[in-house]
Amino acid sequence: DSGVTQTPKHLITATGQRVTLRCSPRSGDLSVYWYQQSLDQGLQFLIQYYNGEERAKGNILERFSAQQFPDLHSELNLSSLELGDSALYFCASSRDLVGGQQFFGPGTRLTVL
Amino acid sequence: DQQVKQNSPSLSVQEGRISILNCDYTNSMFDYFLWYKKYPAEGPTFLISISSIKDKNEDGRFTVFLNKSAKHLSLHIVPSQPGDSAVYFCAASADTTHGGTSYGKLTFGQGTILTVHP
Repeated sequence: DSGVTQTPKHLITATGQRVTLRCSPRSGDLSVYWYQQSLDQGLQFLIQYYNGEERAKGNILERFSAQQFPDLHSELNLSSLELGDSALYFCASSRDLVGGQQFFGPGTRLTVL
Repeated sequence: DQQVKQNSPSLSVQEGRISILNCDYTNSMFDYFLWYKKYPAEGPTFLISISSIKDKNEDGRFTVFLNKSAKHLSLHIVPSQPGDSAVYFCAASADTTHGGTSYGKLTFGQGTILTVHP
Protein backbone atom coordinates (compact mmCIF):
# COMPACT_ATOMS: atom_id res chain seq x y z
CA ASP A 1 0.00 0.00 0.00
CA SER A 2 1.61 3.22 -1.23
CA GLY A 3 -0.53 5.46 0.97
CA VAL A 4 -2.00 7.20 -2.09
CA THR A 5 -5.73 6.67 -2.50
CA GLN A 6 -7.81 7.14 -5.62
CA THR A 7 -11.55 7.03 -6.11
CA PRO A 8 -13.43 5.66 -7.82
CA LYS A 9 -11.65 2.46 -8.83
CA HIS A 10 -13.79 2.01 -11.93
CA LEU A 11 -15.89 4.48 -13.87
CA ILE A 12 -18.10 3.75 -16.87
CA THR A 13 -19.71 6.63 -18.67
CA ALA A 14 -20.90 7.76 -22.08
CA THR A 15 -19.36 10.02 -24.69
CA GLY A 16 -19.95 13.69 -24.07
CA GLN A 17 -20.17 13.29 -20.31
CA ARG A 18 -18.01 14.81 -17.58
CA VAL A 19 -16.33 12.92 -14.74
CA THR A 20 -14.19 13.77 -11.73
CA LEU A 21 -11.40 11.57 -10.45
CA ARG A 22 -10.17 12.07 -6.92
CA CYS A 23 -6.76 11.53 -5.34
CA SER A 24 -5.49 11.79 -1.77
CA PRO A 25 -1.70 11.93 -1.51
CA ARG A 26 0.45 10.29 1.14
CA SER A 27 0.54 12.11 4.42
CA GLY A 28 3.10 14.90 4.23
CA ASP A 29 3.46 14.85 0.45
CA LEU A 30 2.95 18.25 -1.19
CA SER A 31 3.26 17.27 -4.86
CA VAL A 32 0.51 15.49 -6.73
CA TYR A 33 0.89 14.20 -10.28
CA TRP A 34 -1.62 12.80 -12.75
CA TYR A 35 -0.69 10.22 -15.40
CA GLN A 36 -2.70 8.53 -18.11
CA GLN A 37 -2.07 5.00 -19.32
CA SER A 38 -3.95 4.14 -22.49
CA LEU A 39 -3.97 0.75 -24.21
CA ASP A 40 -0.52 0.04 -25.70
CA GLN A 41 0.85 3.21 -24.17
CA GLY A 42 3.24 3.80 -21.36
CA LEU A 43 2.33 6.21 -18.61
CA GLN A 44 1.93 9.74 -19.96
CA PHE A 45 2.38 12.68 -17.64
CA LEU A 46 -0.60 15.01 -17.55
CA ILE A 47 -0.08 17.62 -14.83
CA GLN A 48 1.65 18.34 -11.51
CA TYR A 49 0.47 20.41 -8.56
CA TYR A 50 2.62 21.44 -5.64
CA ASN A 51 1.04 22.81 -2.48
CA GLY A 52 -2.02 23.97 -4.35
CA GLU A 53 -0.31 25.48 -7.37
CA GLU A 54 0.04 24.09 -10.87
CA ARG A 55 3.72 23.50 -11.56
CA ALA A 56 4.12 21.43 -14.69
CA LYS A 57 1.94 20.46 -17.59
CA GLY A 58 2.32 17.60 -20.01
CA ASN A 59 0.19 16.75 -23.01
CA ILE A 60 -3.03 17.39 -21.16
CA LEU A 61 -6.04 18.04 -23.34
CA GLU A 62 -7.93 21.32 -22.95
CA ARG A 63 -11.01 19.25 -22.06
CA PHE A 64 -9.13 18.06 -18.97
CA SER A 65 -8.43 20.17 -15.90
CA ALA A 66 -7.17 19.56 -12.41
CA GLN A 67 -6.82 21.28 -9.09
CA GLN A 68 -5.27 20.70 -5.70
CA PHE A 69 -7.21 21.76 -2.64
CA PRO A 70 -5.94 23.24 0.67
CA ASP A 71 -6.04 19.78 2.27
CA LEU A 72 -3.75 18.68 -0.62
CA HIS A 73 -6.15 16.24 -2.22
CA SER A 74 -6.49 16.65 -5.95
CA GLU A 75 -9.20 16.20 -8.53
CA LEU A 76 -8.88 15.57 -12.25
CA ASN A 77 -11.87 16.71 -14.28
CA LEU A 78 -12.45 15.19 -17.69
CA SER A 79 -15.19 16.72 -19.85
CA SER A 80 -16.77 16.16 -23.26
CA LEU A 81 -15.50 12.62 -23.01
CA GLU A 82 -14.54 10.71 -26.13
CA LEU A 83 -14.01 7.00 -26.70
CA GLY A 84 -10.25 7.61 -26.81
CA ASP A 85 -10.27 8.92 -23.26
CA SER A 86 -10.80 5.39 -22.01
CA ALA A 87 -7.67 4.64 -20.00
CA LEU A 88 -6.19 4.07 -16.59
CA TYR A 89 -5.59 7.31 -14.73
CA PHE A 90 -2.96 7.24 -12.01
CA CYS A 91 -2.28 9.75 -9.33
CA ALA A 92 1.14 9.90 -7.68
CA SER A 93 2.56 11.98 -4.87
CA SER A 94 5.96 13.01 -3.60
CA ARG A 95 7.26 15.11 -0.73
CA ASP A 96 9.11 17.69 -2.77
CA LEU A 97 8.69 19.77 -5.88
CA VAL A 98 11.45 18.02 -7.79
CA GLY A 99 13.33 14.79 -7.67
CA GLY A 100 12.81 11.74 -5.52
CA GLN A 101 10.51 8.86 -6.01
CA GLN A 102 6.82 9.21 -6.66
CA PHE A 103 4.32 6.97 -4.93
CA PHE A 104 1.47 5.83 -7.13
CA GLY A 105 -2.13 5.15 -6.28
CA PRO A 106 -4.00 2.09 -7.57
CA GLY A 107 -5.52 4.02 -10.46
CA THR A 108 -8.99 4.73 -11.80
CA ARG A 109 -10.07 2.76 -14.84
CA LEU A 110 -12.26 4.97 -17.03
CA THR A 111 -14.37 3.38 -19.74
CA VAL A 112 -16.17 5.67 -22.16
CA LEU A 113 -18.92 3.94 -24.16
CA ASP B 1 9.08 11.68 -29.70
CA GLN B 2 9.86 8.78 -27.38
CA GLN B 3 12.49 10.17 -25.01
CA VAL B 4 12.69 7.00 -22.94
CA LYS B 5 12.67 3.69 -24.74
CA GLN B 6 12.46 0.12 -23.59
CA ASN B 7 13.06 -1.81 -26.76
CA SER B 8 12.24 -5.25 -25.41
CA PRO B 9 8.48 -5.66 -24.92
CA SER B 10 9.03 -8.91 -23.04
CA LEU B 11 11.67 -11.03 -21.33
CA SER B 12 11.47 -14.61 -20.15
CA VAL B 13 13.92 -15.93 -17.55
CA GLN B 14 14.35 -19.10 -15.52
CA GLU B 15 14.05 -18.86 -11.76
CA GLY B 16 17.42 -18.30 -10.10
CA ARG B 17 19.00 -16.77 -13.21
CA ILE B 18 19.73 -13.11 -13.87
CA SER B 19 17.14 -10.81 -15.44
CA ILE B 20 18.51 -7.82 -17.33
CA LEU B 21 16.08 -5.11 -18.39
CA ASN B 22 17.33 -2.31 -20.60
CA CYS B 23 16.35 1.29 -21.14
CA ASP B 24 17.66 4.00 -23.46
CA TYR B 25 17.02 7.73 -23.31
CA THR B 26 17.60 10.62 -25.66
CA ASN B 27 17.18 13.72 -23.50
CA SER B 28 20.54 14.79 -22.07
CA MET B 29 18.71 16.91 -19.44
CA PHE B 30 17.57 13.78 -17.63
CA ASP B 31 19.56 13.38 -14.44
CA TYR B 32 17.50 11.07 -12.27
CA PHE B 33 16.32 7.64 -13.27
CA LEU B 34 13.90 5.23 -11.65
CA TRP B 35 12.60 1.73 -12.15
CA TYR B 36 9.02 0.83 -11.28
CA LYS B 37 7.34 -2.54 -11.17
CA LYS B 38 3.66 -2.92 -11.99
CA TYR B 39 1.30 -5.80 -11.38
CA PRO B 40 -2.08 -5.94 -13.17
CA ALA B 41 -4.80 -3.84 -11.56
CA GLU B 42 -2.26 -2.06 -9.33
CA GLY B 43 -0.33 1.19 -9.54
CA PRO B 44 3.41 1.19 -10.29
CA THR B 45 5.61 0.42 -7.30
CA PHE B 46 9.01 2.06 -6.92
CA LEU B 47 11.95 -0.35 -7.10
CA ILE B 48 15.22 1.52 -7.30
CA SER B 49 16.63 4.80 -8.57
CA ILE B 50 19.94 6.31 -9.60
CA SER B 51 21.22 9.84 -9.89
CA SER B 52 23.32 10.84 -12.89
CA ILE B 53 26.32 11.43 -10.64
CA LYS B 54 26.52 7.69 -10.03
CA ASP B 55 26.96 4.76 -12.38
CA LYS B 56 25.63 2.03 -10.12
CA ASN B 57 23.14 1.64 -7.32
CA GLU B 58 22.37 -1.60 -5.53
CA ASP B 59 19.49 -2.63 -3.29
CA GLY B 60 19.32 -6.29 -2.38
CA ARG B 61 18.66 -8.35 -5.49
CA PHE B 62 18.24 -5.22 -7.63
CA THR B 63 21.08 -3.26 -9.23
CA VAL B 64 20.72 -0.37 -11.64
CA PHE B 65 23.60 0.60 -13.93
CA LEU B 66 23.82 3.95 -15.70
CA ASN B 67 26.00 4.65 -18.73
CA LYS B 68 25.63 8.37 -19.35
CA SER B 69 27.79 8.49 -22.46
CA ALA B 70 25.60 5.84 -24.08
CA LYS B 71 22.40 7.25 -22.53
CA HIS B 72 21.61 3.75 -21.36
CA LEU B 73 20.54 2.19 -18.12
CA SER B 74 19.82 -1.35 -17.10
CA LEU B 75 18.19 -3.14 -14.19
CA HIS B 76 19.70 -6.42 -13.04
CA ILE B 77 17.69 -8.79 -10.86
CA VAL B 78 19.71 -11.58 -9.28
CA PRO B 79 18.48 -14.17 -8.54
CA SER B 80 15.18 -13.87 -10.35
CA GLN B 81 12.10 -15.21 -8.59
CA PRO B 82 8.63 -16.07 -9.93
CA GLY B 83 7.21 -13.22 -7.82
CA ASP B 84 9.28 -10.81 -9.91
CA SER B 85 7.00 -11.48 -12.89
CA ALA B 86 5.45 -8.12 -13.70
CA VAL B 87 5.76 -5.16 -16.06
CA TYR B 88 8.88 -3.08 -15.43
CA PHE B 89 8.95 0.59 -16.35
CA CYS B 90 11.99 2.76 -16.68
CA ALA B 91 11.40 6.46 -15.92
CA ALA B 92 13.48 9.62 -16.03
CA SER B 93 13.24 13.16 -14.74
CA ALA B 94 15.08 16.42 -15.39
CA ASP B 95 16.22 18.73 -12.61
CA THR B 96 14.95 22.30 -12.69
CA THR B 97 18.40 23.63 -11.83
CA HIS B 98 18.95 23.40 -15.56
CA GLY B 99 16.39 26.14 -15.90
CA GLY B 100 13.64 23.99 -17.24
CA THR B 101 10.09 23.61 -16.06
CA SER B 102 9.94 19.86 -15.84
CA TYR B 103 9.78 19.88 -12.05
CA GLY B 104 8.88 16.39 -10.90
CA LYS B 105 7.54 15.15 -14.23
CA LEU B 106 8.52 11.56 -14.94
CA THR B 107 8.91 10.38 -18.52
CA PHE B 108 8.23 6.66 -18.77
CA GLY B 109 9.29 3.98 -21.20
CA GLN B 110 6.73 1.62 -22.69
CA GLY B 111 7.52 -1.14 -20.21
CA THR B 112 8.95 -4.65 -20.41
CA ILE B 113 6.93 -7.68 -19.36
CA LEU B 114 9.18 -9.93 -17.28
CA THR B 115 8.17 -13.56 -16.83
CA VAL B 116 10.19 -15.69 -14.43
CA HIS B 117 9.54 -19.41 -14.86
CA PRO B 118 9.86 -21.79 -11.90
